[in-house]
Amino acid sequence: DARVTQTPRHKVTEMGQEVTMRCQPILGHNTVFWYRQTMMQGLELLAYFRNRAPLDDSGMPKDRFSAEMPDATLATLKIQPSEPRDSAVYFCASGPGQANQPQHFGDGTRLSIL
Amino acid sequence: GEDVEQSLFLSVREGDSSVINCTYTDSSSTYLYWYKQEPGAGLQLLTYIFSNMDMKQDQRLTVLLNKKDKHLSLRIADTQTGDSAIYFCAEERGYSTLTFGKGTMLLVSP
Repeated sequence: DARVTQTPRHKVTEMGQEVTMRCQPILGHNTVFWYRQTMMQGLELLAYFRNRAPLDDSGMPKDRFSAEMPDATLATLKIQPSEPRDSAVYFCASGPGQANQPQHFGDGTRLSIL
Repeated sequence: GEDVEQSLFLSVREGDSSVINCTYTDSSSTYLYWYKQEPGAGLQLLTYIFSNMDMKQDQRLTVLLNKKDKHLSLRIADTQTGDSAIYFCAEERGYSTLTFGKGTMLLVSP
């Protein structure tokens, strides 16, 4: 089965360090989403792309977060500098970009900032 | 408000039926979805319903939609311990973007 692949699965680092999370969407999907999941806030949409162009990143703190799609097979989410409050599980999802064509999620990157 | 609302927790016994409820906000949403999240994993699509339908059945799952009240429910028949997970309701608001509820944790006891 086609899957969304996220790396790394786990990341522990100290505050102030740069963190890069990667996502390989399902081949042929043209929309990519980044979510953050915490106990307090639930699942929050950070940013999404359509045909590699950012459509909405209003959910993302702009001063430290950046999201890019260097090519159709790779999406990245960077945090620089990282802070303890960034600790969460970050999910990538991809979809065909049509109604009734659901998003498929990766297994997430569990990030801990000490 | 703009939130999709779900109850946070449901506990049932194995073999019973489980009903997870959700209220959504956008009457123009075309599709409504249920996702399941097991520990340490991402969200897995369970089922969906088109907004002009009242009910959809898929094996042990039944989705009911009350569009007037913007109320969605997921019924799991003959609930098993393997159904223990967090269940998310989501509404589609265009460009395949979804707005999720905070999830309902279902605990199934033997």
